[in-house]
Amino acid sequence: GAGVSQSPSNKVTEKGKDVELRCDPISGHTALYWYRQSLGQGLEFLIYFQGNSAPDKSGLPSDRFSAERTGGSVSTLTIQRTQQEDSAVYLCASSLDPSGTNEQFFGPGTRLTVL
Amino acid sequence: AQRVTQPEKLLSVFKGAPVELKCNYSYSGSPELFWYVQYSRQRLQLLLRHISRESIKGFTADLNKGETSFHLKKPFAQEEDSAMYYCALSRSGGYNKLIFGAGTRLAVHP
Repeated sequence: GAGVSQSPSNKVTEKGKDVELRCDPISGHTALYWYRQSLGQGLEFLIYFQGNSAPDKSGLPSDRFSAERTGGSVSTLTIQRTQQEDSAVYLCASSLDPSGTNEQFFGPGTRLTVL
Repeated sequence: AQRVTQPEKLLSVFKGAPVELKCNYSYSGSPELFWYVQYSRQRLQLLLRHISRESIKGFTADLNKGETSFHLKKPFAQEEDSAMYYCALSRSGGYNKLIFGAGTRLAVHP
């Protein structure tokens, strides 16, 4: 079946603009995660959704970052007033059940470049 | 503090040589440990996890709680093992946000 998909695959924007990144998790997966992969910071957790529970936003680096998950499926990560340090690959992952040790399945990522 | 340390950015070996990718962690409690791998132009994917105690593609990893380590080992490296390897941990028994190490690039030369 289809894996996690993300769009766009690449995004180039100007400093100060807002961007939206989209993630389609694997059908039936209840948990959805956003991570950021950057040269200086490695792989960082950003935010996590599970079912109808309040999301864990503990990894969001600033209030310019926000995310939502509509209908328990598709998620959108929004970065407002982008800065050059936001340039990174944004990865989305989903898993079947957040309890226990279920595997996280990663998407191909969105490469964001802020000029 | 929760932390995963992979001290080597690059590990370069010849085909057939043994490989050990080091991973140390700092965590209050009993975490679950994982190794994820990213081959060139492919997605990040799970390689193995400590609770499974399994061998995947010839790789094994043993959790040493005394040394807080979870080193990844393979007795005979193959060229197709060349990839980026990330050690990660999560809290056990609850939601599993992953905390990743910086990663080690393994290069296996013919």
